[in-house]
Amino acid sequence: NAGVMQNPRHLVRRRGQEARLRCSPMKGHSHVYWYRQLPEEGLKFMVYLQKENIIDESGMPKERFSAEFPKEGPSILRIQQVVRGDSAAYFCASSPPALLNEQFFGPGTRLTVL
Amino acid sequence: QKEVEQDPGPLSVPEGAIVSLNCTYSNSAFQYFMWYRQYSRKGPELLMYTYSSGNKEDGRFTAQVDKSSKYISLFIRDSQPSDSATYLCAMKKETSGSRLTFGEGTQLTVNP
Repeated sequence: NAGVMQNPRHLVRRRGQEARLRCSPMKGHSHVYWYRQLPEEGLKFMVYLQKENIIDESGMPKERFSAEFPKEGPSILRIQQVVRGDSAAYFCASSPPALLNEQFFGPGTRLTVL
Repeated sequence: QKEVEQDPGPLSVPEGAIVSLNCTYSNSAFQYFMWYRQYSRKGPELLMYTYSSGNKEDGRFTAQVDKSSKYISLFIRDSQPSDSATYLCAMKKETSGSRLTFGEGTQLTVNP
């Protein structure tokens, strides 16, 4: 059973461009979470999604950030008009419906904004 | 004030030592407590998961929760160089869905 997959692993964008980060949860997992890890800081919750639904987006910045988890395909975290402060590691985690207290993390996408 | 406090270290110990890692928290609503291990440039790996107060043992690892003191610990016995990593505590409130609140992580080095 493959783990949580994220791509790309590294992404470089110039200020003002868009960044799209993809996450494929583990097989059988229908709950997806996104976290951000800034340099020298811990992981911060961003958003929690189930298929076609956003359950909790209280950690998402109000502007430029959006997330989706469509019926088919991976979850997408989208950052529009990136700024240097968006440079961070973005981690996706997933859990199965019966084990919501166990979240399994992917390897992360490291976003660098020039 | 942060909801979860964790000493970032760094912590350096000789091989075979007993390691004690700790977190404190301020919100008594936290009910579920986890420890993750994160190697450099990798994603966090779930090590231990406990519910409410008490101890849980898994091999060389023991997780301890003291809700009255709002204090959790992870003990590593017979530490190995392969244990060198950053250790993150995480907590979840029963009523808040599945959002995890993390400490900043403690960087551990086990010297051979």
